Amino acid sequence: EAGVAQSPRYKIIEKRQSVAFWCNPISGHATLYWYQQILGQGPKLLIQFQNNGVVDDSQLPKDRFSAERLKGVDSTLKIQPAKLEDSAVYLCASSLAENTEAFFGQGTRLTVV
Amino acid sequence: GENVEQHPSTLSVQEGDSAVIKCTYSDSASNYFPWYKQELGKGPQLIIDIRSNVGEKKDQRIAVTLNKTAKHFSLHITETQPEDSAVYFCAASKGAAGNKLTFGGGTRVLVKP
Repeated sequence: EAGVAQSPRYKIIEKRQSVAFWCNPISGHATLYWYQQILGQGPKLLIQFQNNGVVDDSQLPKDRFSAERLKGVDSTLKIQPAKLEDSAVYLCASSLAENTEAFFGQGTRLTVV
Repeated sequence: GENVEQHPSTLSVQEGDSAVIKCTYSDSASNYFPWYKQELGKGPQLIIDIRSNVGEKKDQRIAVTLNKTAKHFSLHITETQPEDSAVYFCAASKGAAGNKLTFGGGTRVLVKP
């Protein structure tokens, strides 16, 4: 069974530029999560989708971050404009349903210079 | 919101010895406590979990204990092997398995041969 796929693996951008990350969850998984993992810290939930609807985006900095999950499958996370403190690994995870195990992708490492 | 503290931040053990990682949580409503292992360049992978109606759970060399009264839970790895070297994260959730996890800060475990 294929795991959660994310791209790109690495991205370096200058501050104030925009960037987008893509996630393809495990087939059939209804719940999708985006986490931000700053170096040396645990992952922090940014947003949770159930199919194509947002369940929780309370920790998403909405002035610069946006996410969508059109058609309830793939998802994109965008940052515009990026700040230096956005440098982190962005992890996507998916689960069959809200109350089942979440499987994580390898993440996208973002460096803002 | 929930706050999860994890100790120690680094742990060095000799191969064959035991390793213990401890976490405390703040929200008494949390009822699901997973442990994740993260290897370099990879996403977190679930290794064991425990629910609030259970005090202890064991899976081969890994065990987890939960003290709901004190709001703390621990991971025990016995007979450590070099491949156990990784960063370990505890997490807590009020909902269910994958839902809205709050992670601890992580413990870097190094098993010396």
